Amino acid sequence: RKEVEQDPGPFNVPEGATVAFNCTYSNSASQSFFWYRQDCRKEPKLLMSVYSSGNEDGRFTAQLNRASQYISLLIRDSKLSDSATYLCVVNAPNSNYQLIWGAGTKLIIKP
Amino acid sequence: DAGVIQSPRHEVTEMGQEVTLRCKPISGHDYLFWYRQTMMRGLELLIYFNNNVPIDDSGMPEDRFSAKMPNASFSTLKIQPSEPRDSAVYFCASRGLGGGSYEQYFGPGTRLTVT
Repeated sequence: RKEVEQDPGPFNVPEGATVAFNCTYSNSASQSFFWYRQDCRKEPKLLMSVYSSGNEDGRFTAQLNRASQYISLLIRDSKLSDSATYLCVVNAPNSNYQLIWGAGTKLIIKP
Repeated sequence: DAGVIQSPRHEVTEMGQEVTLRCKPISGHDYLFWYRQTMMRGLELLIYFNNNVPIDDSGMPEDRFSAKMPNASFSTLKIQPSEPRDSAVYFCASRGLGGGSYEQYFGPGTRLTVT
């Protein structure tokens, strides 16, 4: 089993729709969780951290379910510019600074 | 701040040649990470440094790969000899100490093609 698993997609979504995708992680000792965004042929960039109580940043909402060991990302009122690959990331439990990366979910927003 | 700088941005080389990738982290960051990304395997951590010292190189695929960080502002990843299966995008990332944040800042990557 992969340490961080994501549906690779692609998710094809019409502009303005709401889309959600999940990620599961295997190590219950992980404490920090993130969503990174990677545009085509670009580097990954932090989209948002994921907090235990859930958090929102504009149209983006991230949630954590520790019991089931999954993280979700919800995008409301999707824009064409949201088209990208979304990487789910968790910290490596035995390291203060190492991250474990999911393979990413590809999102395509269609006009 | 200029961000993480990598060079070259693209490298095409023949099998058997030596390849050297370069990275300049963000000033003041004390962690530096080298990653490799392919369609098949996604983003893989190769090695990371803390205060110029290699901490974990368990991700380095084999002895053909080596990495150095002679000072706080420069790191290299060398492949010798290169093979076609080394073709990938190689990212360097850095992070700072403040706030307990895990956020890593990535350079634009070096797209390596070995023919």
